[in-house]
Amino acid sequence: DAGVTQSPTHLIKTRGQQVTLRCSPKSGHDTVSWYQQALGQGPQFIFQYYEEEERQRGNFPDRFSGHQFPNYSSELNVNALLLGDSALYLCASSLLTSGSYNEQFFGPGTRLTVL
Amino acid sequence: GQSLEQPSEVTAVEGAIVQINCTYQTSGFYGLSWYQQHDGGAPTFLSYNALDGLEETGRFSSFLSRSDSYGYLLLQELQMKDSASYFCAVRSRDTNAGKSTFGDGTTLTVKP
Repeated sequence: DAGVTQSPTHLIKTRGQQVTLRCSPKSGHDTVSWYQQALGQGPQFIFQYYEEEERQRGNFPDRFSGHQFPNYSSELNVNALLLGDSALYLCASSLLTSGSYNEQFFGPGTRLTVL
Repeated sequence: GQSLEQPSEVTAVEGAIVQINCTYQTSGFYGLSWYQQHDGGAPTFLSYNALDGLEETGRFSSFLSRSDSYGYLLLQELQMKDSASYFCAVRSRDTNAGKSTFGDGTTLTVKP
């Protein structure tokens, strides 16, 4: 049973460019969340997708957008990259069940460096 | 908004017991989770407390006091492989597991 997978592992971009990161959730999961983790900090919630729609969003600008496909996989897009966007981007998947706790499983992340 | 505070670093020796505290301020609260993250790795789930009290999972235990907005992670019989960062995370009331607010993490160093 494959866990959460992310691609690419590492990415180097320059300021102003655009980037797309990809995530495949754990088998059986239907919800994907994206987090940004800067060095020495905890993961910061970007947004969450369920049924191909953005359900919740953290405090991130519109430059950050996403998509979820019918097979539950997801993409994170960042436009007009800034130096401050350099971070580890984590994808986490879970199964949405109202009123109960659902553990989320994290992927290995994509390390984005903006020069 | 939500904020969590945990110590930045903790050092202990192999075989010892260590406690990592977490205090939180939140406008809504659904539960407190703990995650472990090794350098360059993915955060992995350790435990979750929705109600007051102690949850035990092998060498790891987690405690929650909702009235004190406080929780802790207890690691027993420390091993070298337990050297990692540990994060507490709060789920606000109206969310599922996805939207968690994380603390900045505690770096645990286990020495021989």
